[in-house]
Amino acid sequence: EDKVVQSPLSLVVHEGDTVTLNCSYEVTNFRSLLWYKQEKKAPTFLFMLTSSGIEKKSGRLSSILDKKELSSILNITATQTGDSAIYLCALDNTDKLIFGTGTRLQVFP
Amino acid sequence: GAGVSQSPRYKVAKRGQDVALRCDPISGHVSLFWYQQALGQGPEFLTYFQNEAQLDKSGLPSDRFFAERPEGSVSTLKIQRTQQEDSAVYLCASSLTQTGNYGYTFGSGTRLTVV
Repeated sequence: EDKVVQSPLSLVVHEGDTVTLNCSYEVTNFRSLLWYKQEKKAPTFLFMLTSSGIEKKSGRLSSILDKKELSSILNITATQTGDSAIYLCALDNTDKLIFGTGTRLQVFP
Repeated sequence: GAGVSQSPRYKVAKRGQDVALRCDPISGHVSLFWYQQALGQGPEFLTYFQNEAQLDKSGLPSDRFFAERPEGSVSTLKIQRTQQEDSAVYLCASSLTQTGNYGYTFGSGTRLTVV
């Protein structure tokens, strides 16, 4: 059965800290791995990763896919209180997204 | 529209009541998806439309759940005889193409509470 596992489930840090969120998967076939940020209800798109080893960056956020290790990481440097959210990892399995449970990040001033 | 619009934002239903949740995708988006997100969990796939055709409904948890997209734009998710375990946020997402190469845009969801 296709599975996406995220760790840690929850993370509490202070502003300015750097965090690394992990996503590992057991999915036989997928087009891409996606990261979303969910603050209230609507997940908002962060990254789409299709190739192994190529880092994608957007400001203080970056992400990379490792197909050999069946995993991806999302890094956030110099965290801010506005980064507090649930971060979701999902595999695009042709006609559906398979989500992990998410990592709840809380950033305190 | 500018984004994916879902209504109502909140719905409280008595157990046994029927409910209908609406999704208005981004204009021109071919693919439309419904997901169910229980508290503390990631979204789980329910069903997928390409234009008006329902190509995958494998995630619908029971025959009480029914979805349609008759004209290939607005979609409705109907739940008959609601049960407490149906309480969740129901998210709709749309994509420009059937391949998802341009990503997926999610609506803000409908929070359904069955009492």
